[in-house]
Amino acid sequence: AQSVAQPEDQVNVAEGNPLTVKCTYSVSGNPYLFWYVQYPNRGLQFLLKYITGDNLVKGSYGFEAEFNKSQTSFHLKKPSALVSDSALYFCAVRDMKGTGGFKTIFGAGTRLFVKA
Amino acid sequence: GAVVSQHPSWVICKSGTSVKIECRSLDFQATTMFWYRQFPKQSLMLMATSNEGSKATYEQGVEKDKFLINHASLTLSTLTVTSAHPEDSSFYICSATGTTEAFFGQGTRLTVV
Repeated sequence: AQSVAQPEDQVNVAEGNPLTVKCTYSVSGNPYLFWYVQYPNRGLQFLLKYITGDNLVKGSYGFEAEFNKSQTSFHLKKPSALVSDSALYFCAVRDMKGTGGFKTIFGAGTRLFVKA
Repeated sequence: GAVVSQHPSWVICKSGTSVKIECRSLDFQATTMFWYRQFPKQSLMLMATSNEGSKATYEQGVEKDKFLINHASLTLSTLTVTSAHPEDSSFYICSATGTTEAFFGQGTRLTVV
């Protein structure tokens, strides 16, 4: 079964410093991996995805993620954090079963606090 | 990217009443949509898969008679919480999938008093 794990409940970083939010995955076959961000009382916003190709994926708002097959990781990164990046971040994997639509399986989420 | 619109964004209802939440795909057709539930400070849990023109598929532990799903067209799925109780208070989010990634509605905060 497809699954993702986010080992950190919370990440604290100072504004201007680089940030990393960790994610590891367990999949059968080739993984379709995603990062989403959620602001309070809001739905999910898509940040980036890895399907195939370059291991370094660039996404919205200056975020990027590196797919590492040997470590089964897909960590989210940003070179310089902003206070406005403070939110809840979800790593997700696509369930490869089914046709006509697919389930998205989420990690537990990591709350990012960026301090000014 | 594709847009999924969810309505209402928040609703307060009395115990015992029913509440309907709508999920629309605005610029694409979705034969399948998904309904998730999110408790405070927790991740999203899939409740059911909504299939256009057929019965929804519910995840284990989700009461199908309580959470009625109708997917009458390729752009609209509805979730009706019947005989709502305070424990049904939660954040409900719908999703429709594109070619590779899923698109999510803005969510509905349901409070049952």
